Amino acid sequence: DVKVTQSSRYLVKRTGEKVFLECVQDMDHENMFWYRQDPGLGLRLIYFSYDVKMKEKGDIPEGYSVSREKKERFSLILESASTNQTSMYLCASSFKAGRYGYTFGSGTRLTVV
Amino acid sequence: GENVEQHPSTLSVQEGDSAVIKCTYSDSASNYFPWYKQELGKGPQLIIDIRSNVGEKKDQRIAVTLNKTAKHFSLHITETQPEDSAVYFCAASFHYGNNRLAFGKGNQVVVIP
Repeated sequence: DVKVTQSSRYLVKRTGEKVFLECVQDMDHENMFWYRQDPGLGLRLIYFSYDVKMKEKGDIPEGYSVSREKKERFSLILESASTNQTSMYLCASSFKAGRYGYTFGSGTRLTVV
Repeated sequence: GENVEQHPSTLSVQEGDSAVIKCTYSDSASNYFPWYKQELGKGPQLIIDIRSNVGEKKDQRIAVTLNKTAKHFSLHITETQPEDSAVYFCAASFHYGNNRLAFGKGNQVVVIP
């Protein structure tokens, strides 16, 4: 079964820590995305990538960076975690060509204390 | 960019009744409209999608209709069951490349037994 795997379901980190959220997909998808989900705000795009070593800012990139060294892996980095980054983080992937839906991971619930 | 509005934000229905969620989109060039279901503690899952060359698509108890002229599309769930309780997201494709989707803010559906 094809899937998008996020390395952690729950994380608790301290303010100021550098945090890595990892996402791996096994579908050979070109596109990968990072979203955060907060009550009443829906899915907000942080960063996305169309190809290896390529990245583009989404709607709320401040305080985040990303890395895509291999096609199957897309990492979200919180350089210095803050309490307002407490959220559910969702990774997704899709084919590049044509119009196809995204496949989402199960999410990582991050709490910054 | 594309803007997707989703209504109502919360919907409660009696078990066995039908539920309808409506979305409007802004970009007349959008041509792909998926619907996602998110159960508690899980990532969104694609449940049905429709392309702009089709007006209606059905899969068992769920159906999606598309009105390109009015730029709106709807999810219909018939004979609702408790397991249909979830958050539902609609999305519409950006008209320019690389398969980006714009998401609505989500709709909480509660099926009352």
